[in-house]
Amino acid sequence: QKEVEQDPGPLSVPEGAIVSLNCTYSNSAFQYFMWYRQYSRKGPELLMYTYSSGNKEDGRFTAQVDKSSKYISLFIRDSQPSDSATYLCAMSETSGTYKYIFGTGTRLKVLA
Amino acid sequence: KAGVTQTPRYLIKTRGQQVTLSCSPISGHRSVSWYQQTPGQGLQFLFEYFSETQRNKGNFPGRFSGRQFSNSRSEMNVSTLELGDSALYLCASSSMGGLAGQSSYNEQFFGPGTRLTVL
Repeated sequence: QKEVEQDPGPLSVPEGAIVSLNCTYSNSAFQYFMWYRQYSRKGPELLMYTYSSGNKEDGRFTAQVDKSSKYISLFIRDSQPSDSATYLCAMSETSGTYKYIFGTGTRLKVLA
Repeated sequence: KAGVTQTPRYLIKTRGQQVTLSCSPISGHRSVSWYQQTPGQGLQFLFEYFSETQRNKGNFPGRFSGRQFSNSRSEMNVSTLELGDSALYLCASSSMGGLAGQSSYNEQFFGPGTRLTVL
């Protein structure tokens, strides 16, 4: 079993829909949680960063962390065709390193 | 400001050969990390350098090695290539090493990657 599990998709939604992307993990020591977006033929870019449990909002994006359930989510409101990409979750036990554990990514397609 | 550049972008090698990939970080950045991305395993951490010192290493065999130069440019080398080494190799740079802490984040910026195919 992988340390971080993520549904690979693809997930297809109509434009304007609310998208929910999720990751589960097994290592209770994870404290730092990230979401990345990766367009085809590009490197990942950071969307959201959360420490420990709770919610964080940035524009149309909301990240949630539930450490008791070992479950993190990324919500995208009013989804746009430009949101079509692969979304990766990443986690770390400590600060001071980029030695993250990544999910395998979920492919999202937003249909116009 | 120019982004992270990686050369070459595409590479085809045969089993048993070795390969060297290059990464030029954003100007002023001192931290460079390397990752391997495959469809089955996703992104996996290879190693992390800060000011020419390797600070962390992932769970890869010794065939994978890296180094960082005084100008922060970094190279990674894979010797005795295997079919399973076919992957997208990504490097990322940041101004400081690692996450900053609870409320802030030293963002790292990824390059476009080098696509390595081993035949």
